[in-house]
Amino acid sequence: GQQVMQIPQYQHVQEGEDFTTYCNSSTTLSNIQWYKQRPGGHPVFLIQLVKSGEVKKQKRLTFQFGEAKKNSSLHITATQTTDVGTYFCAGPQTGTSYGKLTFGQGTILTVHP
Amino acid sequence: EAQVTQNPRYLITVTGKKLTVTCSQNMNHEYMSWYRQDPGLGLRQIYYSMNVEVTDKGDVPEGYKVSRKEKRNFPLILESPSPNQTSLYFCASSPVFSGVYQPQHFGDGTRLSIL
Repeated sequence: GQQVMQIPQYQHVQEGEDFTTYCNSSTTLSNIQWYKQRPGGHPVFLIQLVKSGEVKKQKRLTFQFGEAKKNSSLHITATQTTDVGTYFCAGPQTGTSYGKLTFGQGTILTVHP
Repeated sequence: EAQVTQNPRYLITVTGKKLTVTCSQNMNHEYMSWYRQDPGLGLRQIYYSMNVEVTDKGDVPEGYKVSRKEKRNFPLILESPSPNQTSLYFCASSPVFSGVYQPQHFGDGTRLSIL
């Protein structure tokens, strides 16, 4: 079945350092969504990328979708303590039924003040 | 307030005792889905539903049942729970627009412990 691998599993940074998490799929993704889950909370939608090579920015967050639509990344510039949480990517495999989604394992980000 | 409501939030029960986790959304969303979250495994999709009376299996459907008799409700049923179903469960919903994926709205989660 489809596999979506996310690395790293954990990342500890000092406040002000940059952070990147990578999402790699074994097959082409129709699109990719990114979610953030604060400790003890539920996943909250951040963004969706649809086009090959797409890059989107939200303030200090930059999201990229690979040219082959098999990988994606989330980069945070100058992390803050409010960035703490788990970041997930999620996508539907091309050719699967609409609605069937696979999430990556998530990257747990810790920011030390 | 637009929301997805799950009940109960916490449950400790015993092996074999049937249980139902309810999920209700007030946003008139067509799409609803159940996930389980386990450490190191992320979120894994159990079942999803595109609309009333339309349900389909996700990646880990074994041991679970769902139904979608009304648009707003999507209960998750564990007919004979086992300890390996101890997990954190999330329900989510989203609208459906011309086959384009939309952001999912998640409930607050249900933590199940099966002894």
